[in-house]
Amino acid sequence: ETGVTQTPRHLVMGMTNKKSLKCEQHLGHNAMYWYKQSAKKPLELMFVYNFKEQTENNSVPSRFSPECPNSSHLFLHLHTLQPEDSALYLCASSQRSGTSGRGTDTQYFGPGTRLTVL
Amino acid sequence: KNEVEQSPQNLTAQEGEFITINCSYSVGISALHWLQQHPGGGIVSLFMLSSGKKKHGRLIATINIQEKHSSLHITASHPRDSAVYICAVISGEGAQKLVFGQGTRLTINP
Repeated sequence: ETGVTQTPRHLVMGMTNKKSLKCEQHLGHNAMYWYKQSAKKPLELMFVYNFKEQTENNSVPSRFSPECPNSSHLFLHLHTLQPEDSALYLCASSQRSGTSGRGTDTQYFGPGTRLTVL
Repeated sequence: KNEVEQSPQNLTAQEGEFITINCSYSVGISALHWLQQHPGGGIVSLFMLSSGKKKHGRLIATINIQEKHSSLHITASHPRDSAVYICAVISGEGAQKLVFGQGTRLTINP
């Protein structure tokens, strides 16, 4: 497989369920991202991981819990979600230009997981 | 008001027409992305630019940093160009946080 893959592609869950979204990048990148795309709203950044360390949490509720066990894999654990959390969740990866952060890196996106919370 | 505004929000055209999508932003940026999102959700990065103009096939992207404005042009449009086109900016050198426009839904009819 190449690029950025996400599983599952579609997920329907109840408000009391616990589920996880998985993202895997095959590009050798060292940064990974979770984005949320709700209907009729712009994409919103949720979390950023650099070298497996979380470096940005964009005021995301604690019912969303990210995990980055290595630089190729990123998970988003979901529990006690609300119907308004129904959205397309997109993962992306990029290659950071060193610890100085110089340069601006292109992000490569996965196909997304379409989540419906009943 | 969003930091990144796109116009138009929806655009329908006939095959072969020249297409222009505009993006204006209100913050200082180090770079701007044009992204394409097809039905089903997958996003593809088309261009990243910080000055001037870039061309790839029938797609052309321009940016004017002084005016805080970018345009995406499609020449000889084709039904397969139908997608949502999204403008996104990065506010600082080495920054990672993309701020997105709301997208422009383009439909090209045969």
